[in-house]
Amino acid sequence: DTEVTQTPKHLVMGMTNKKSLKCEQHMGHRAMYWYKQKAKKPPELMFVYSYEKLSINESVPSRFSPECPNSSLLNLHLHALQPEDSALYLCASSQDTLASEQFFGPGTRLTVL
Amino acid sequence: QKEVEQNSGPLSVPEGAIASLNCTYSDRVSQSFFWYRQYSGKSPELIMSIYSNGDKEDGRFTAQLNKASQYVSLLIRDSQPSDSATYLCAVNSGGYQKVTFGTGTKLQVIP
Repeated sequence: DTEVTQTPKHLVMGMTNKKSLKCEQHMGHRAMYWYKQKAKKPPELMFVYSYEKLSINESVPSRFSPECPNSSLLNLHLHALQPEDSALYLCASSQDTLASEQFFGPGTRLTVL
Repeated sequence: QKEVEQNSGPLSVPEGAIASLNCTYSDRVSQSFFWYRQYSGKSPELIMSIYSNGDKEDGRFTAQLNKASQYVSLLIRDSQPSDSATYLCAVNSGGYQKVTFGTGTKLQVIP
């Protein structure tokens, strides 16, 4: 199984809402990533988890809060977002974080009103 | 600042032709190189990875790496309209836990 799944596919939320994005992989990968992608731009790294520990936070605002409950699951908790946070949120996983191929999930299209 | 540069395109090629996509990178210690294909509104899909100098072929795709020139390319033979997408070059530097993506090249294959 070489699939990374993400839910929901689409999410519309107000600026006062709290929501969560979920990501799951069953490839035995030990590194998982959150990226944000705006239209016509490359993916922009937000967080890296390595062996279930947060190893990189790319100075992401605290209104984005990642969580890695176990080696297969990755969540991104959203609170008090701004309209400029509207984007495609991508989860990826890799065998480990060094020189490894990353496999992306289908993404969650987030719209903040 | 480690950079990965690609021509944004669009690169237009006729159906059946060879499409050549190029990428340069600035970090000399880079060790791993990846090509992703991204259709509009979809997520990136890994199509090739290359780690050592030379060519690596997979079906209609050939990745070429020249570390001395800090250059990596992707050739697509017998291009099909379904190859029309944005191609992202990504580079991982040794010891780093992340890849740096180029801005992508948009490829258009004209029937």
